[in-house]
Amino acid sequence: DTAVSQTPKYLVTQMGNDKSIKCEQNLGHDTMYWYKQDSKKFLKIMFSYNNKELIINETVPNRFSPKSPDKAHLNLHINSLELGDSAVYFCASSRTGGSWTEAFFGQGTRLTVV
Amino acid sequence: DQQVKQNSPSLSVQEGRISILNCDYTNSMFDYFLWYKKYPAEGPTFLISISSIKDKNEDGRFTVFLNKSAKHLSLHIVPSQPGDSAVYFCAARADSGAGSYQLTFGKGTKLSVIP
Repeated sequence: DTAVSQTPKYLVTQMGNDKSIKCEQNLGHDTMYWYKQDSKKFLKIMFSYNNKELIINETVPNRFSPKSPDKAHLNLHINSLELGDSAVYFCASSRTGGSWTEAFFGQGTRLTVV
Repeated sequence: DQQVKQNSPSLSVQEGRISILNCDYTNSMFDYFLWYKKYPAEGPTFLISISSIKDKNEDGRFTVFLNKSAKHLSLHIVPSQPGDSAVYFCAARADSGAGSYQLTFGKGTKLSVIP
C-alpha cells in the first residue's frame, strides 16, 4: 500500500504543451511538497503546501502551479513546457509544523520535453 | 549557493567493512538533519535523522554523528552489505516561514558495496 504515489511515472511531451502530474498520499499528512531533481542530480524544493499556506521557491517559474483539490492530493500543472523543464519531479508529504522528522517521497515522475 | 554539501560523489567499500558518508552545511538555522537512501527509478527513502541538539543517533547498522561546531555530519554503516548500494542524500530541515518546514538536500553520494 503505497504511502505517496505519483502518476505518471514517465512523461514525454513536446515543447509548448501543458501537462499535469498527480500526487496522492494516504498518510493523513497535512503538508505536501514538490521537488525537482535536475540533470546535476540536485533535489530542490519547488513548493510546500498545507491547507493554509502555499510557499513557493522564488526560482520556480510561474508556468508551474500546484493545485490541491483536498489535503491528500497535490497536483503539479506545468504550462508552456520548455526543454529545460526536463527533470525528475518528486512529490513528498509530512506532518505540519516542527514535530515531523521525516518526509515521505513518491517514486518520481521523469518528464522529458522534446 | 549550496547550503548542504556532499563532496564525495561516490564511495566504494568492501562488504563487511564500514561505510562513512560525509555532509557539510552552512546554515546555522537547520534544526534537523536527515539521511535518505535512493535506488534508481525510485523515490528517496528515509533512513535516519538527528536533531541539531544531539551529537549521535543510532539505528541498527546506521549511526549518524553531528559536529555542530564544524557544521559537519556523517553517516556510518557497519557492517556494509551489498544491498546498501544506493545513492545517499544528506538533507537538512529549516523553518521556511509561518511554521512550515522544508528540506534542503545535498547532491548525493553513490555508495557501492563490493561483495
